[in-house]
Amino acid sequence: DVKVTQSSRYLVKRTGEKVFLECVQDMDHENMFWYRQDPGLGLRLIYFSYDVKMKEKGDIPEGYSVSREKKERFSLILESASTNQTSMYLCASSRTGTGALSGANVLTFGAGSRLTVL
Amino acid sequence: LAKTTQPISMDSYEGQEVNITCSHNNIATNDYITWYQQFPSQGPRFIIQGYKTKVTNEVASLFIPADRKSSTLSLPRVSLSDTAVYYCLPWGGYNKLIFGAGTRLAVHP
Repeated sequence: DVKVTQSSRYLVKRTGEKVFLECVQDMDHENMFWYRQDPGLGLRLIYFSYDVKMKEKGDIPEGYSVSREKKERFSLILESASTNQTSMYLCASSRTGTGALSGANVLTFGAGSRLTVL
Repeated sequence: LAKTTQPISMDSYEGQEVNITCSHNNIATNDYITWYQQFPSQGPRFIIQGYKTKVTNEVASLFIPADRKSSTLSLPRVSLSDTAVYYCLPWGGYNKLIFGAGTRLAVHP
């Protein structure tokens, strides 16, 4: 089974701290994504990456940056955490491909990282 | 990007069949339609994927008409554990993937 592992299930940080959220997938997927999920707002895309060292902005990239130095790892960075970044953060990966029922373009999510910024 | 429209919520009872329809009028030729299920405090998980006609797996069926502008997820004989949020996502894998609000299904005893 594809596994997407997020380094921390729960984090508590203080305003202004630099925060790293790590995500690792073990199935050689090309694509990786970071979402945040807040009550009433659904999943919102922060950043995504289609290849090593490549990144694309999602809908809410402000206040975040990402790093993808290796194919299996996609890191989300909060340069200076703020209270409005308190949220559940979800990492996902998928492989690129074509063909019905091939399993391509299906997202596998990690368990999530619940971040609280005080 | 294909924008999706789903009912915000649905209610059902144990043992009933539930059909959730999603409209995606501007679906692209290379988009597959994938449905996900999400429980509280967990990430969404894959249920089923299709391109056209009908697909069935061990948990659900997916019906897609010829024009592909909608799709219907069918859950046979739901149980309390099927209470969750369900998302439909048309996606071809080469642009950003945006989740809609999903459908909150509540299954009652």
